[in-house]
Amino acid sequence: NAGVMQNPRHLVRRRGQEARLRCSPMKGHSHVYWYRQLPEEGLKFMVYLQKENIIDESGMPKERFSAEFPKEGPSILRIQQVVRGDSAAYFCASSPTSGGRVDYEQYFGPGTRLTVT
Amino acid sequence: TQLLEQSPQFLSIQEGENLTVYCNSSSVFSSLQWYRQEPGEGPVLLVTVVTGGEVKKLKRLTFQFGDARKDSSLHITAAQPGDTGLYLCAGARGNNRLAFGKGNQVVVIP
Repeated sequence: NAGVMQNPRHLVRRRGQEARLRCSPMKGHSHVYWYRQLPEEGLKFMVYLQKENIIDESGMPKERFSAEFPKEGPSILRIQQVVRGDSAAYFCASSPTSGGRVDYEQYFGPGTRLTVT
Repeated sequence: TQLLEQSPQFLSIQEGENLTVYCNSSSVFSSLQWYRQEPGEGPVLLVTVVTGGEVKKLKRLTFQFGDARKDSSLHITAAQPGDTGLYLCAGARGNNRLAFGKGNQVVVIP
């Protein structure tokens, strides 16, 4: 009964490189969410995806960041031309339901710690 | 501006003592979740409360949702070192986006 899986757990990138973070949701879950946690700050919503669709990307920076959840394979959060300010823990969560249900729950993965040098 | 304010930010108590931490907001939520996060790990869901005034118990942990669905509390009875962690509350407003507080860091000293 595997939970949400994320890889890599730690990622080091130099400024200007690309970072690719992967997330496999829990079995049976078709909704994926990405959150970012900066030191001394709470988790901040970035994007909500269903298979092949971006539902809500209102928390995503307008430039350099993109996310996808293809029909097959994991969800990918991609950060192009990384800067030091992108250093953070990135968490993926999944849920089995869509909006409209009052008591939906999100289950989180272990996170990817991105360090930009 | 933080949508959910958690207090106290840090709490250190002796094993066996009781503690209560709070999660407050001026916004109404359709549901509220409590998570616990260990260093280097992701948040682990503890409970979801949905109805105003609802009380849920998880062993020695008691969660309450305010009548107006704007706030919540977590009470731990006879705390143990294993209760040490960062407790996060997160509110949902029907749009699948969870808004998190900054957390209550609890340390239980043996």
